[in-house]
Amino acid sequence: GENVEQHPSTLSVQEGDSAVIKCTYSDSASNYFPWYKQELGKRPQLIIDIRSNVGEKKDQRIAVTLNKTAKHFSLHITETQPEDSAVYFCAARMKTSYDKVIFGPGTSLSVIP
Amino acid sequence: ETGVTQTPRHLVMGMTNKKSLKCEQHLGHNAMYWYKQSAKKPLELMFVYNFKEQTENNSVPSRFSPECPNSSHLFLHLHTLQPEDSALYLCASSDAGPLRYQPQHFGDGTRLSIL
Repeated sequence: GENVEQHPSTLSVQEGDSAVIKCTYSDSASNYFPWYKQELGKRPQLIIDIRSNVGEKKDQRIAVTLNKTAKHFSLHITETQPEDSAVYFCAARMKTSYDKVIFGPGTSLSVIP
Repeated sequence: ETGVTQTPRHLVMGMTNKKSLKCEQHLGHNAMYWYKQSAKKPLELMFVYNFKEQTENNSVPSRFSPECPNSSHLFLHLHTLQPEDSALYLCASSDAGPLRYQPQHFGDGTRLSIL
């Protein structure tokens, strides 16, 4: 069945360094890939998303890359700040089940001041 | 953002009680979702409704009973729950369609504790 893997499960970086979170998906028909950030005790919120016809998208310090051939996509956060500390979830949406996304297990990011 | 509102925020109930969780979205979306989020576990999709019709039941035990009277409201009726059902229950909505690439918007969740 559909599956999204995410690595690493935990990540600690020094403030100002970059953080990279990687995900793989199993269904080659997936065509939409959102990323969510969930701060402690709060709701998951979308931070960036990418469609399958785009290889890279950037929004200030956050960027996402997609490799359709390898079925990989990654989140890159540059110049990390303490407020970036949170759990990050990647997700993939199948083309045939457009009202359903499969979430990865999450990455707990800690940015050390 | 108050586009998706969940009540109550916290709920403590015994295993024999019956209670309901409520979700309301003010975003004009056509799809609504229930997720279960346990500690140190991924988001588990429970149910999906699209234009009030259930399109997904992810092998959820019958002690969880969803209800979607219209595209703006979603309920999760609970009865005879088990301790392992203690978790954060998140509702979400989206503008879902085959040519739409829109994210899901989440509520703040209901923290459920089963005694």
